[in-house]
Amino acid sequence: QQQVKQSPQSLIVQKGGISIINCAYENTAFDYFPWYQQFPGKGPALLIAIRPDVSEKKEGRFTISFNKSAKQFSLHIMDSQPGDSATYFCAASSTGYSTLTFGKGTMLLVSP
Amino acid sequence: DVKVTQSSRYLVKRTGEKVFLECVQDMDHENMFWYRQDPGLGLRLIYFSYDVKMKEKGDIPEGYSVSREKKERFSLILESASTNQTSMYLCASSLGDRGLLGYTFGSGTRLTVV
Repeated sequence: QQQVKQSPQSLIVQKGGISIINCAYENTAFDYFPWYQQFPGKGPALLIAIRPDVSEKKEGRFTISFNKSAKQFSLHIMDSQPGDSATYFCAASSTGYSTLTFGKGTMLLVSP
Repeated sequence: DVKVTQSSRYLVKRTGEKVFLECVQDMDHENMFWYRQDPGLGLRLIYFSYDVKMKEKGDIPEGYSVSREKKERFSLILESASTNQTSMYLCASSLGDRGLLGYTFGSGTRLTVV
């Protein structure tokens, strides 16, 4: 079974700090890696995504770092804010396989 | 913006009941999905559909079935509800190959089976 392993399960960061969430995968056919953000009472929403032809993608305070040789990718949230408090899911998919495989999620709490 | 609407926010059903969870999307997306979300287990795919009257099993299809009679509507059916099916159920839709433009999720239905 395809798997994406996500860590940590929960994370507490002070306001202004850097939040880092890591994911690892085994299937070398994966070629699309999105991150989803879920607020309480809402469904997950696409936050940012990367393909393996680049090692980093940045959108505002959110950055994905990708290490193809290690089969790992991570989400960095710079200058974390209380409004970033949410559950974050990494995911992966491969050409010819049309669904996303999600990690188990990380609950982020940014303390004021 | 694409909107995915799940018909019920909260449901309480009795063991053995047949339960229908309804999902409607309004942007002509080909792909629709049903996931369940449980603490510590993340999002697990139950069933998905690429087209009308087409369905594929996901990772945990046992005890569930689906129906897609119209492009915009995807129903999840619990044939005989059991307490281990108490969960948050999330419907999603996407356009095109692997949802590269992103999955759009509904707000979820929290089902309790007693």
